[in-house]
Amino acid sequence: QVQLVQSGAEVKKPGASVKVSCKVSGYTLTELSMHWVRQAPGKGLEWMGGFDPEDGETIYAQKFQGRVTMTEDTSTDTAYMELSSLRSEDTAVYYCAAEHTEGNYWGQGTLVTVSS
Amino acid sequence: DIQMTQSPSSLSASVGDRVTITCQASQDISNYLNWYQQKPGKAPKLLIYDASNLETGVPSRFSGSGSGTDFTFTISSLQPEDIATYYCQQYDNLPRAFGGGTKVEIK
Repeated sequence: QVQLVQSGAEVKKPGASVKVSCKVSGYTLTELSMHWVRQAPGKGLEWMGGFDPEDGETIYAQKFQGRVTMTEDTSTDTAYMELSSLRSEDTAVYYCAAEHTEGNYWGQGTLVTVSS
Repeated sequence: DIQMTQSPSSLSASVGDRVTITCQASQDISNYLNWYQQKPGKAPKLLIYDASNLETGVPSRFSGSGSGTDFTFTISSLQPEDIATYYCQQYDNLPRAFGGGTKVEIK
């Protein structure tokens, strides 16, 4: 059974960075295309970036370019999303979401609160 | 980039009613469309993939249709447990894009 387990909630000050992890089990990371999606309070789903298997590269949404970095540690099957220069508008639940030919799997979400 | 326009943004219907949500892509995405259900405080749950294929375990009252740019999601007989927000998402290419969501409530 595929599971994506994310790290716990974070509280950060404006200007700081946050790094959220997503541990995969049931598949290896190399079998999946990992994406990150966020959801601000009361708002819809917003795609932040993800792996393009055709190019073998990670593509970021233009809105986040320069502030977001998505990495993977294949030795531990853990994906990471780091967002820098945080502002109050970045307060949201951040999800990892994995695509596979056999299905589509989501983490439980990580609440990141940005507050002074 | 592909934009997804979903409507309505909210609807209220009675138990047993047929509910229809539409999603329009800004360009041809073939059938590369997912429909998700999201309940408060939970991650989205995939209901329909490839525009019309029901995910394993999803009740048959949920269905999807369409290809190209115009898609429809239907709940044939609304149940109380279907109260949620529904999203379409294209996966023809990157960047992925979601529709704005449809909040479904019971009248």
